[in-house]
Amino acid sequence: DGGITQSPKYLFRKEGQNVTLSCEQNLNHDAMYWYRQDPGQGLRLIYYSQIVNDFQKGDIAEGYSVSREKKESFPLTVTSAQKNPTAFYLCASQARTGTLYSNQPQHFGDGTRLSIL
Amino acid sequence: KNEVEQSPQNLTAQEGEFITINCSYSVGISALHWLQQHPGGGIVSLFMLSSGKKKHGRLIATINIQEKHSSLHITASHPRDSAVYICAVGVEYGNKLVFGAGTILRVKS
Repeated sequence: DGGITQSPKYLFRKEGQNVTLSCEQNLNHDAMYWYRQDPGQGLRLIYYSQIVNDFQKGDIAEGYSVSREKKESFPLTVTSAQKNPTAFYLCASQARTGTLYSNQPQHFGDGTRLSIL
Repeated sequence: KNEVEQSPQNLTAQEGEFITINCSYSVGISALHWLQQHPGGGIVSLFMLSSGKKKHGRLIATINIQEKHSSLHITASHPRDSAVYICAVGVEYGNKLVFGAGTILRVKS
């Protein structure tokens, strides 16, 4: 069954600690995305990657880092520089037709809820 | 002003009612997406459309490109339709999505 798996479902971070959220997909999609969701706000883009070993900052990249060493995996690290990390984090992937993504939907994982201890 | 505005923010309906959720956007788009977020947080893509109208079961989505407006309709609503419905628009040739804040729908039996 193809899909996107995010882990863990719940994560707690201590002050000054880096934590890594996992995102794996077996849809053979080229593009992967990380979003942050806060109550009452729309999803905001943190980072995205359209090809292995390449990624771009989104609208709120400060305090976060990513890697894309494999097509299937796009982990997100929430660093100690992110002063307000409590949020719901969603990973998504998208297929590509030629050079465009415009006619493809994004597929989402079930999310990771991160809280501060 | 947000690039994607949804209304209403909250909606409570009785089972069987016809429901409409609206989405207006202010940017040029490649396509518009309607998404459903379940109480657990997972998101499912309902529709992706760039013109006209699409129907899937009791759900209907329409878009008016000239007016930069889309609507999501639910006919014969049911408590299992209770969820957050999110409008998103594809920008930069579809490489990025810009999201509305979502509409919280509760259908009572």
